[in-house]
Amino acid sequence: DAGITQSPRHKVTETGTPVTLRCHQTENHRYMYWYRQDPGHGLRLIHYSYGVKDTDKGEVSDGYSVSRSKTEDFLLTLESATSSQTSVYFCAIRAPGTTFNYGYTFGSGTRLTVV
Amino acid sequence: DQQVKQNSPSLSVQEGRISILNCDYTNSMFDYFLWYKKYPAEGPTFLISISSIKDKNEDGRFTVFLNKSAKHLSLHIVPSQPGDSAVYFCAAVKLTGTASKLTFGTGTRLQVTL
Repeated sequence: DAGITQSPRHKVTETGTPVTLRCHQTENHRYMYWYRQDPGHGLRLIHYSYGVKDTDKGEVSDGYSVSRSKTEDFLLTLESATSSQTSVYFCAIRAPGTTFNYGYTFGSGTRLTVV
Repeated sequence: DQQVKQNSPSLSVQEGRISILNCDYTNSMFDYFLWYKKYPAEGPTFLISISSIKDKNEDGRFTVFLNKSAKHLSLHIVPSQPGDSAVYFCAAVKLTGTASKLTFGTGTRLQVTL
């Protein structure tokens, strides 16, 4: 989807190193989310943002931090990567509104391998 | 605590037949339920949704049924096509004042065979 891009698409990193994943949107949407996808677990919410500098934790936030200094960018940082953080990471955006008829729009994902 | 469950990890269906994907949930406060489709190396894409006040929503070949008393929803694909082969995730959301958050099931891999 042209409105949301994730970078990098693939990354291999060593245990203990910091890693930052970037999510960039051109839709000017208020809400942004980071999920991880793992076999047997589906997609699980890591962190989310409801505006510039407004972020909160999801269900699997330990070991992750986020920042949102501009509407268009939502960064996910692994402070000290561990093998358990090997996963596929998806960013999602949503326009504000009271209905959920169209859900989120997801990026193409970042495959992260921690060795 | 898995609030949204997809108990069938995989399903194989012949082309032209009906595919039925199932999802169960535990939280009766969910306001919307959604289905997403995911191809390998791509992000999930929205397929269809249903409000908790309805029991059926239809969009072309795709129909979602909601049974609130059983806390169960299902996605029917008729007729199934080879391009429907993908992983399907059901998801649910309770609307809140801030960023409403989707809770996903574990996914069902659908294979449509010729």
